[in-house]
Amino acid sequence: AQSVAQPEDQVNVAEGNPLTVKCTYSVSGNPYLFWYVQYPNRGLQFLLKYITGDNLVKGSYGFEAEFNKSQTSFHLKKPSALVSDSALYFCAVRSYSSASKIIFGSGTRLSIRP
Amino acid sequence: DAGVIQSPRHEVTEMGQEVTLRCKPISGHNSLFWYRQTMMRGLELLIYFNNNVPIDDSGMPEDRFSAKMPNASFSTLKIQPSEPRDSAVYFCASSLVDGNTIYFGEGSWLTVV
Repeated sequence: AQSVAQPEDQVNVAEGNPLTVKCTYSVSGNPYLFWYVQYPNRGLQFLLKYITGDNLVKGSYGFEAEFNKSQTSFHLKKPSALVSDSALYFCAVRSYSSASKIIFGSGTRLSIRP
Repeated sequence: DAGVIQSPRHEVTEMGQEVTLRCKPISGHNSLFWYRQTMMRGLELLIYFNNNVPIDDSGMPEDRFSAKMPNASFSTLKIQPSEPRDSAVYFCASSLVDGNTIYFGEGSWLTVV
């Protein structure tokens, strides 16, 4: 069975500081891994994904994520946070099976203070 | 390009009434997903379709919920009868079956009073 864990309900960071939002996963076989962002009263927007290849994936708005197979983690990072990054962030996993579903974590609320 | 289109965006209905939520996936996508988001339970997968066929409906809460996909460009999620605990945001999403990224609509905000 697939599962995703986001251990932090909320992450608070000062503007200009680096940020990390944590995610660990469990899936049979190789995973597709994703990060999505949700702004208030909006749908989820795709940020980035890992399929294969380089473990460091770069995405939208200066975000990147590092795939670590041994730790089954896919943490989201950004070198310098902006107030506008404040939102709800979801990690998701999908197995390589073509008919498989995508499972989302519980979400982490990122709050960037000026 | 048009994204996933959901209607209505907002619905307020009385307990016991039938609610129908509609979704038009991105053209060319052949997987469609219905999710429900609440503060208490987060984002839950209700059901998903591949090529208009329901693959997994294990997330559908109970018999009051039903979903259909009569063709590649349209899906409905129906709640009959509705209850206050069904109040939530319902998201539709689509992707390619053998692709990977799924794309979400803006959601249907349902309030049952």
